[in-house]
Amino acid sequence: AQKITQTQPGMFVQEKEAVTLDCTYDTSDPSYGLFWYKQPSSGEMIFLIYQGSYDQQNATEGRYSLNFQKARKSANLVISASQLGDSAMYFCAMREGDAGKSTFGDGTTLTVKP
Amino acid sequence: DSGVTQTPKHLITATGQRVTLRCSPRSGDLSVYWYQQSLDQGLQFLIQYYNGEERAKGNILERFSAQQFPDLHSELNLSSLELGDSALYFCASSVFGQGAGSRTDTQYFGPGTRLTVL
Repeated sequence: AQKITQTQPGMFVQEKEAVTLDCTYDTSDPSYGLFWYKQPSSGEMIFLIYQGSYDQQNATEGRYSLNFQKARKSANLVISASQLGDSAMYFCAMREGDAGKSTFGDGTTLTVKP
Repeated sequence: DSGVTQTPKHLITATGQRVTLRCSPRSGDLSVYWYQQSLDQGLQFLIQYYNGEERAKGNILERFSAQQFPDLHSELNLSSLELGDSALYFCASSVFGQGAGSRTDTQYFGPGTRLTVL
């Protein structure tokens, strides 16, 4: 079974509007971390936001927030006030177990329209 | 700029050849990870080192090997290259690299090395 599922291969959003990118995960480990990364067309992977499984509040980092619903095993990324520079591929990732390696979803390509 | 450096940025080589990719982690990070990103397989974890010791192994082929040196930089060696090895190879680093991590133990990625095997 896929550990990280991103069901939206592509998304479009109008500039200045908010957009939600979906991510569901599968783990039996009570301790895990969820991450979102942005990959622009230039190729680099940019860390956006982190949510720990024991965190009581949803994580926020500037215009990025994470809608964490533990019972549903979902960790959706919300980008507020979209900008043209937000156009990129977005990856959801999870860390679990003893080692610190991350498992990544297939990504969602976000296009922001002017 | 994540603080993780990778060289070279691009590499073009022929099948059967051997190449070495180099990574310097962020200052203070002890853990280094290698990932491969290809169109058909997505982003796959290859191997992790922590303070010079191998900590975890993922989908790394036997033709590939890695090591982390006393100064904490890491090298990924790819040998007997095949066309299917063409991919973007990322190095990432984090402070500890254990378990679920934390905001302070986030993995930061280098710019990647794009390998093209002809």
